Amino acid sequence: DTAVSQTPKYLVTQMGNDKSIKCEQNLGHDTMYWYKQDSKKFLKIMFSYNNKELIINETVPNRFSPKSPDKAHLNLHINSLELGDSAVYFCASSAPGNEQFFGPGTRLTVL
Amino acid sequence: GENVEQHPSTLSVQEGDSAVIKCTYSDSASNYFPWYKQELGKGPQLIIDIRSNVGEKKDQRIAVTLNKTAKHFSLHITETQPEDSAVYFCAAMIEGSYIPTFGRGTSLIVHP
Repeated sequence: DTAVSQTPKYLVTQMGNDKSIKCEQNLGHDTMYWYKQDSKKFLKIMFSYNNKELIINETVPNRFSPKSPDKAHLNLHINSLELGDSAVYFCASSAPGNEQFFGPGTRLTVL
Repeated sequence: GENVEQHPSTLSVQEGDSAVIKCTYSDSASNYFPWYKQELGKGPQLIIDIRSNVGEKKDQRIAVTLNKTAKHFSLHITETQPEDSAVYFCAAMIEGSYIPTFGRGTSLIVHP
């Protein structure tokens, strides 16, 4: 059983397009996250939701919009994609103050 | 807010050697310190963690030490093997909070 799953694994698209990445967790956690990992491997937190409510929104352009239809899902929609958005995006979930469970990642390439 | 420094950024060792990765943190309220291993093409995965009520924790070939006074913690891997090659991240957080602060990662390369 996959604990945290993301789709798609690879996403190649043109500048200016809109795309979505889906994330689901079956661990029963209340808190979910989106991270961006750049080419230097730095893990930057973008958003965190707890029980479908936004609790962290780091300085991320408003072209990025997370949506949490229920506490097991946290999707990421990106409008007007730019070259600098190319990265690997990780979804994660956790119980507060405990280990994070990461998904396998989505490699986004913007051409 | 919390700041976590991690060193070195790259570590190259021969198979069988030991490897040590060090992290420092700034917020004395942090009391949970996990370590994650990220293999190529995968998401980070917890390998060991330590809470502030202990100074050391060991799990087979890996161990973590914590010095709360100095605000630093370290990952020790003994008898390294090629499959230990990965990027390792330390993190610090306040137990019960939502926000972990990650170090910038250490790329460990174990040469056969």
